[in-house]
Amino acid sequence: NAGVTQTPKFQVLKTGQSMTLQCAQDMNHEYMSWYRQDPGMGLRLIHYSVGAGITDQGEVPNGYNVSRSTTEDFPLRLLSAAPSQTSVYFCASSWTSGYNEQFFGPGTRLTVL
Amino acid sequence: ELKVEQNPLFLSMQEGKNYTIYCNYSTTSDRLYWYRQDPGKSLESLFVLLSNGAVKQEGRLMASLDTKARLSTLHITAAVHDLSATYFCAVVPGKIIFGKGTRLHILP
Repeated sequence: NAGVTQTPKFQVLKTGQSMTLQCAQDMNHEYMSWYRQDPGMGLRLIHYSVGAGITDQGEVPNGYNVSRSTTEDFPLRLLSAAPSQTSVYFCASSWTSGYNEQFFGPGTRLTVL
Repeated sequence: ELKVEQNPLFLSMQEGKNYTIYCNYSTTSDRLYWYRQDPGKSLESLFVLLSNGAVKQEGRLMASLDTKARLSTLHITAAVHDLSATYFCAVVPGKIIFGKGTRLHILP
């Protein structure tokens, strides 16, 4: 099993550009989530999904969109990037809900100029 | 407001010493997780504590949970350099919420 995979690993954007961060898992996990990690802030939940077709907002959802058309994939979209979105983004998955142990992807380091 | 507070946030210690990291949280959570993160890497699950009084140990690390006090501890015994990392606790009052992390630096 590949576990949780994320692409790209690094990305540089200009303010106002859009892009999609990809996340996939091959463990048949129902629950998937996106976090951002900033220095001194720990991890903050952006959006999460409890199954295909179901998504909800976390602590810091503004500026980000998600969708979940399949169990395996959970892409994160930045519609109009801002410098405040410069961060490291982690995708995670777990069996049935956020109550369960989460498995994290390798992360995407995003810089917005 | 929900708070998950870890202390210390930064700890520098010498090999061979013992120390404890604390995780306090402000609301009910029926479980608590500890994760480790190496610099530039992702998070790795260390412990899952599911009930009051739960204690888990692996190697030089031991974690415990007191749900009544809303407190978890991560104890390091006879620290070695390889344990240098950032350690996060996380609670689940509906959604998983992480503490800010404790950056542990162990001097050889």
